[in-house]
Amino acid sequence: KAGVTQTPRYLIKTRGQQVTLSCSPISGHRSVSWYQQTPGQGLQFLFEYFSETQRNKGNFPGRFSGRQFSNSRSEMNVSTLELGDSALYLCASSSTSGISYEQYFGPGTRLTVT
Amino acid sequence: GNSVTQMEGPVTLSEEAFLTINCTYTATGYPSLFWYVQYPGEGLQLLLKATKADDKGSNKGFEATYRKETTSFHLEKGSVQVSDSAVYFCALSDRRNRGSTLGRLYFGRGTQLTVWP
Repeated sequence: KAGVTQTPRYLIKTRGQQVTLSCSPISGHRSVSWYQQTPGQGLQFLFEYFSETQRNKGNFPGRFSGRQFSNSRSEMNVSTLELGDSALYLCASSSTSGISYEQYFGPGTRLTVT
Repeated sequence: GNSVTQMEGPVTLSEEAFLTINCTYTATGYPSLFWYVQYPGEGLQLLLKATKADDKGSNKGFEATYRKETTSFHLEKGSVQVSDSAVYFCALSDRRNRGSTLGRLYFGRGTQLTVWP
């Protein structure tokens, strides 16, 4: 089975621009979560999508948004980029069966805001 | 609330040394516990998991036991290799209801491990 894929892998944007990141989950996984990783704050939860609905949201401003499509692929969008948005954005997919709810991560998108 | 605390790094060991990385947690429900590993320039890889008290997760020589009485999930390996050099994250998932799709993982700050030959 192919793993979680994220595109693009690297991105450089200018302050004030917007950006869209894409994530394709493992085949058969219907839940997709997004995390931001920075040296200062560590790994922070952004949101989770299941069946095209946002089910859970972290403590981020409204500039951060996402969506999920009927094939479970997900995108996240950041508008009006700030320097502090520079980070590694990780997508994770999960099967909703079972009780352990382990998440499988993609390689991440490295976003640099200048 | 839910939180994970793990020992700060960096941890530096010689090859074949014994490894322990401490992890304690606070959870309001019935958490599952995980260790993830991150190699430079990559995403997180699931290393091992435990879903209930006294479960032992193991993989690639690493082990961790879910201790409810001490709210701990310490990672151990008897003999580390240079290839084990990476950042290790302890995490919990708190599914309060069976069948819930709550998918948030709570992570510790990570512990950098460097193994010298």
